[in-house]
Order: sequence, then structure tokens, then C-alpha cells
Amino acid sequence: DIVMTQSPLSLPVTPGEPASISCRSSQSLLHSNGYNYLDWYLQKPGQSPQLLIYFGSKRASGVPDRFSGSGSGTDFTLEISRVEAEDVGLYYCMQALQTHTFGQGTRLDIK
Amino acid sequence: EVQLVQSGAEVKKPGESLRISCEASGYSFISYWISWVRLVPGKGLEWMGRIDPSDSNTNYRPSFQGHITISIDKSITTAYLHWSSLKASDTAMYYCARHVLGGEFDYWGRGTRVTVSS
Repeated sequence: DIVMTQSPLSLPVTPGEPASISCRSSQSLLHSNGYNYLDWYLQKPGQSPQLLIYFGSKRASGVPDRFSGSGSGTDFTLEISRVEAEDVGLYYCMQALQTHTFGQGTRLDIK
Repeated sequence: EVQLVQSGAEVKKPGESLRISCEASGYSFISYWISWVRLVPGKGLEWMGRIDPSDSNTNYRPSFQGHITISIDKSITTAYLHWSSLKASDTAMYYCARHVLGGEFDYWGRGTRVTVSS
């Protein structure tokens, strides 16, 4: 199994400030086709998870441009340029190179 | 409109069997895999297994192999998650999601809450 490790696990943020979540994989997620098989999801309270970022850096349809993904190989980052109240929830990275594995989740809440 | 409609909440006793469903609509059912994902409060999301509706090929996370069965009925574009003998530790919310092989989970069901208690 590929192991996914996120940090931090808890992230209190002041509205309007930036936020950053790190995700590391135990094996490279870079495929020979040049894509990193790493996605980011947000699960808001009481809702199903929703896709934010796929292939490491591609923003999903309808996702605000304050969300961005970067990284390659084993190290990835999700950044929110200016956090809004609606961004609270649990953020997960997930690898899709060898079946699927989620990170532990990072809880973002508002200070 | 793509939709994944999951069956309702279930309350069961340990040792009982259970099958929950995920009915897909609004897209070509055989063109996307269906995965099942578990959410245990305080423990985060956990991928359980997946099925390719085009040929019913399945893959399971090793920790779930032998405890769950994923199946489909193409005639009614529905995927199933089945337990033959539930344990209290199966208490969780279960989600289905669609994806292409190696691809992102772009649509999710609303979840089915399963409670296993004596």
C-alpha cells in the first residue's frame, strides 16, 4: 500500500489569511505519462466529499481559483490564497496510482 | 445530470448480513468505475474497494478483502456493497463515487449510514 501522510492535522485560520496543507506519499505518484496521480478533496460538515484538485494541480470544475495544488513525485501542497468561512471542513489528499489511499485528513476551522 | 443515489440508513445486529446500493444515472454506467469509501468519525476517509461495471472486475483494500463484496447490476445501473456478517466496527458512513481508472472521484453519493449494534 502507498501510505499518504498529511500535515498539519489541524489548521485554525483567520478569514482572509492564506492556508497551506502538505501531503507526502511513501512512493512517487508521478506516472510515465507525466501526470501525478494525486487528488485533493474537501468534506464540509454534513456533506459528501467534493473534488477540489486532480492530477496534483488541475482545479476541478466550479472550484474557486483561491484553491491551488502543486508538487510532484512524493511531495504535494494544497494552498488556499484567502480563506473564507465556507472553506471549513476536512481536507484529504488521495493517491490514485495504485488503487487508492487517502491521507488522514486536515481539519480547517476559522479562528 | 450525473447522480449517484444511495440507499437509506440501516440499523443491524452483529452477525447479520447487509447490502447497500448506489444507483447511477446521467452517464454511461459502464464507462466509469465505482468505488466505495468509508467514513468512521474521528478516523477519516478510507477506500474500501472498486468495481469496473464493464466487466465486473473488482479490487479490494487488503484489510477489507474477504469481509465485503462489491457487485453490480448493469440492467439497473446499480452498484452494491455487501457484508455477509456485520461487526460493530462496521458502524460508519459509506459513500459510493465514480471515477475512471486512475482518475479522480468526480461525483459522490450522499452516503449511507450503517449502525451495527446489539
